Amino acid sequence: GAVVSQHPSWVICKSGTSVKIECRSLDFQATTMFWYRQFPKQSLMLMATSNEGSKATYEQGVEKDKFLINHASLTLSTLTVTSAHPEDSSFYICSARAVQGASPLHFGNGTRLTVT
Amino acid sequence: SQELEQSPQSLIVQEGKNLTINCTSSKTLYGLYWYKQKYGEGLIFLMMLQKGGEEKSHEKITAKLDEKKQQSSLHITASQPSHAGIYLCGADEGGGSNYKLTFGKGTLLTVNP
Repeated sequence: GAVVSQHPSWVICKSGTSVKIECRSLDFQATTMFWYRQFPKQSLMLMATSNEGSKATYEQGVEKDKFLINHASLTLSTLTVTSAHPEDSSFYICSARAVQGASPLHFGNGTRLTVT
Repeated sequence: SQELEQSPQSLIVQEGKNLTINCTSSKTLYGLYWYKQKYGEGLIFLMMLQKGGEEKSHEKITAKLDEKKQQSSLHITASQPSHAGIYLCGADEGGGSNYKLTFGKGTLLTVNP
């Protein structure tokens, strides 16, 4: 149980275009999902907390107009990278808890974004 | 915010050898999580520790949290090539209903057959 599915697994886009990444909890409901970004050989950096039915909470230094998050249902959160630039190229990964409170985060398999 | 230091940054061992990875926090850990990641893939949950002095084992992997709840170790016994990957420790920021996890930089483990 507790499967998080992320789509697409990789995407290549041209500079200036927007890309949407989906994160779904397949066998549980998630009122909260977390979006991370990972650079090569570096740790995961939390970008934002996605809250079902309300606005996402962004970490300091993350542009909310650049990285649009929508959490329209209890099983789906989307991250849209708007007007992508090469520096947005990275590995994006979402996660969610199947149980509220202090419990493990379950991660999707990530999305490799390359902006040309 | 929580800062987690992992050591070593990378580790190469011969198959069958034991190894230990450490994770040290600048603050008291409310919850400490160990994950394994293959490059370019998602994180696989290994273990969660919450109480000072707690120790958990799964197959050949043992994780411990010290009494002061500021340091954790991950020990692999008789390593196998399947253990290779990136090991990350993550910590609860604590408080509230939306527990965020912050992560260390990871330890890259290579197991040579």
